[in-house]
Amino acid sequence: DGGITQSPKYLFRKEGQNVTLSCEQNLNHDAMYWYRQDPGQGLRLIYYSQIVNDFQKGDIAEGYSVSREKKESFPLTVTSAQKNPTAFYLCATSSWAVTEAFFGQGTRLTVV
Amino acid sequence: SQQGEEDPQALSIQEGENATMNCSYKTSINNLQWYRQNSGRGLVHLILIRSNEREKHSGRLRVTLDTSKKSSSLLITASRAADTASYFCATVPYGGATNKLIFGTGTLLAVQP
Repeated sequence: DGGITQSPKYLFRKEGQNVTLSCEQNLNHDAMYWYRQDPGQGLRLIYYSQIVNDFQKGDIAEGYSVSREKKESFPLTVTSAQKNPTAFYLCATSSWAVTEAFFGQGTRLTVV
Repeated sequence: SQQGEEDPQALSIQEGENATMNCSYKTSINNLQWYRQNSGRGLVHLILIRSNEREKHSGRLRVTLDTSKKSSSLLITASRAADTASYFCATVPYGGATNKLIFGTGTLLAVQP
């Protein structure tokens, strides 16, 4: 069953804690992305990666970190430095040419 | 921010009517894509138009691109209640060492049965 798997679907974090969101793909895509979506808003790019062991900051990278040790995996860590982390996080993949992006079902993170 | 803007922010129409939404972007592009998002879900790709194309059709969808104005429009003809969703444009900026996908702010479409 091909696709993108994000986990968990819902995540609750206490203030001051780091949390890691998982994104796994079996589409053999080179590029992977993390976006943040706030209620009623568009998608804002956090980080993206086009090859293993390389990634670039997007528009809102502060307070987030990523790694790309394997082609299939692109985990996102929301650190305690992110002051307003409550949001819907979406992972996506595409070929290098970026002619179509495929999305996971998202992780909804809530700070409690 | 490179994020584009969409207009209108929200649109409510009756079934059978046409829906038009517009997208403006900031930089030169390789291509522009439109996506659909049902509430609380991931996005689904609808259609792509390249920078050297002016119009493209796919089923009930018609997309236009005006690179001189840095704008695009998505027309959904003969809308159905099932078309109710948020619609986003996304651009792949031209040039640079890496490709990335930049999304607009989205249009929320409600189709009343």
